[in-house]
Amino acid sequence: GDSVTQMEGPVTLSEEAFLTINCTYTATGYPSLFWYVQYPGEGLQLLLKATKADDKGSNKGFEATYRKETTSFHLEKGSVQVSDSAVYFCALSDGSSASKIIFGSGTRLSIRP
Amino acid sequence: KAGVTQTPRYLIKTRGQQVTLSCSPISGHRSVSWYQQTPGQGLQFLFEYFSETQRNKGNFPGRFSGRQFSNSRSEMNVSTLELGDSALYLCASSLAGTAGEKLFFGSGTQLSVL
Repeated sequence: GDSVTQMEGPVTLSEEAFLTINCTYTATGYPSLFWYVQYPGEGLQLLLKATKADDKGSNKGFEATYRKETTSFHLEKGSVQVSDSAVYFCALSDGSSASKIIFGSGTRLSIRP
Repeated sequence: KAGVTQTPRYLIKTRGQQVTLSCSPISGHRSVSWYQQTPGQGLQFLFEYFSETQRNKGNFPGRFSGRQFSNSRSEMNVSTLELGDSALYLCASSLAGTAGEKLFFGSGTQLSVL
C-alpha cells in the first residue's frame, strides 16, 4: 500500500541555519503531497501542498517540490527561526478523499537561539 | 470564525471502561474525520463522517465507533478500553471532504488508559 518515509528526528539547528527534512513516498497512483506542522499542545496545520509532479508548494519561507522521478517531497527553509520549532509531518493523499491521508512518522525540529 | 473544538482536552480511564470524545467542526463544515496519534504508530486515520453517515473507515477494530449529528458535530466512542488505546485523538473538519480540500484540525483529546 501507499506509504510515507521521512527522516528520523530530532533535528536540532541554530537560528538562521538552512533546513532540509527528507521525505519519500510510495504510491500506486498520482497522490497529492503535503507537509503538516504540529506546534506544542496544538493540532496539525497544513504548511504546504503540491498536487502534481514538479509543483512547488511554499508557505512561511518553507518550500517543497514534488519530484516524481525520485518519489520525494523534501521540505526546505533557508533560514530557520526559534518559532519554527515543532514536529513536521510529510503526508500523501491518494485523491479519493480529503480525509484519507497517510502520514509519515514526523520529525521533531528544535531551533537554538 | 471559531476553529475545530474538541472536548475534553484530557481524559484518564481504566482498562475495560468506555469513553466518548466530542468534536465540533468549523461552522459550515460537513465532513468530520478522526485520527489517532501515538508515539509508536504515528498518525492513523480512524474514520470520516459526512451528512451523518460514515463515508470512509481506517483499519481499526470495531471497538472504535463514531457518529455525526445533524449539526455536523461528531462523537467518537471507544469501548472496552485497552492500554494501547492511550493516544492523542485528533479531529479534523472540511467543507465536504472532497479530495484537495484543506483539513482543519482541533487540538485533540489526550486519552490515558491506566
